[in-house]
Amino acid sequence: QQQVKQSPQSLIVQKGGISIINCAYENTAFDYFPWYQQFPGKGPALLIAIRPDVSEKKEGRFTISFNKSAKQFSLHIMDSQPGDSATYFCAASDSNYQLIWGAGTKLIIKP
Amino acid sequence: DAGVIQSPRHEVTEMGQEVTLRCKPISGHNSLFWYRQTMMRGLELLIYFNNNVPIDDSGMPEDRFSAKMPNASFSTLKIQPSEPRDSAVYFCASSFAGVSGNSPLHFGNGTRLTVT
Repeated sequence: QQQVKQSPQSLIVQKGGISIINCAYENTAFDYFPWYQQFPGKGPALLIAIRPDVSEKKEGRFTISFNKSAKQFSLHIMDSQPGDSATYFCAASDSNYQLIWGAGTKLIIKP
Repeated sequence: DAGVIQSPRHEVTEMGQEVTLRCKPISGHNSLFWYRQTMMRGLELLIYFNNNVPIDDSGMPEDRFSAKMPNASFSTLKIQPSEPRDSAVYFCASSFAGVSGNSPLHFGNGTRLTVT
């Protein structure tokens, strides 16, 4: 019940296309859902986050869609660029310090 | 803002040796986390400090691992004796207060540990 399941494991998208990464959870007590972006040799960095009281949050080309009834949330990257090539992690939290992490998605944007 | 600073960036050691990883959190942050990242297990929380006090060390694999935070600007993670299965990237992260929308985690660039 504490798991966050992330898919796909890897994703190749053409430049200018839409990248979509999905996550699912079971614990209905989760109340904070961040996405982190990690480049090779670097630590993860917060990209965008959402709380369950909204169904969508957009920051530039990045959008989180949240479906509370289905217990799913997804990251959409519009107009994907080669610089977006990275590993993306979804996560969820129901406490003030513990993040439950997805397994990660390696995204490659082909020029 | 220099960000979270970790040292060394790379560490190669032989099985049985002691390894000490170091972390300087962002000034003003009162929460500090040590994570381990491997391909097999992903990101694992090892230990969480709040105001220099260890709050949750349930993720520390075994007694060979220990962590200290003697002051607000420094923390260490020690492995003694090290084993090949400890090979991983170890991240330190800090935040203002736990994890929340108002207090995201800031990660260092990690220490890649290789135990031969």
